[in-house]
Amino acid sequence: GQSLEQPSEVTAVEGAIVQINCTYQTSGFYGLSWYQQHDGGAPTFLSYNALDGLEETGRFSSFLSRSDSYGYLLLQELQMKDSASYFCAVRFISSGSARQLTFGSGTQLTVLP
Amino acid sequence: GAVVSQHPSRVICKSGTSVKIECRSLDFQATTMFWYRQFPKKSLMLMATSNEGSKATYEQGVEKDKFLINHASLTLSTLTVTSAHPEDSSFYICSARSRDREIDTEAFFGQGTRLTVV
Repeated sequence: GQSLEQPSEVTAVEGAIVQINCTYQTSGFYGLSWYQQHDGGAPTFLSYNALDGLEETGRFSSFLSRSDSYGYLLLQELQMKDSASYFCAVRFISSGSARQLTFGSGTQLTVLP
Repeated sequence: GAVVSQHPSRVICKSGTSVKIECRSLDFQATTMFWYRQFPKKSLMLMATSNEGSKATYEQGVEKDKFLINHASLTLSTLTVTSAHPEDSSFYICSARSRDREIDTEAFFGQGTRLTVV
């Protein structure tokens, strides 16, 4: 099966930088995604890494090391609106349905003024 | 980006009744749709994978007779919670995968449905 580990909570102040780590175990690894979810809302896509290295999208960056089964999401210049849950998700190839997603348990980020 | 519409956003029903939730891909064709369930402060748990024109594939522990899934077209999948009980109260979210592989790196989620069974 698949398993992912990420911290349950992270707290930081406005303007700071925060890194949310994710380690995973899976067979048929295809890529690592990050999603943001505000309370009561649906997950929204942030980034996707299929290859090793850093992907940058504005204030958010995501990193993947396939050899270490590890990735992280880096949030810079934190804003109050960044307070949300962040999920890493592995995309993997299964026999029943190619490229399924399995989500981590989520990291609750609280941004303080 | 691609849009997935899920309806209704909230529903309250009496115990023993059935509830249907719709998931539509508005501007793309979705060969596969996924149904998730999420408890408060918890992760999204995959319930089933729905492929257009074929039977859904359910995850272990999910009762297929209780959670009926129909994927009748490339733009619509429905989840029916039959004989709902209070323990079925949860947040249900669908996602769709595009037929266009170029935008297949992300999953497109519906807005979610908050089901409360009283």
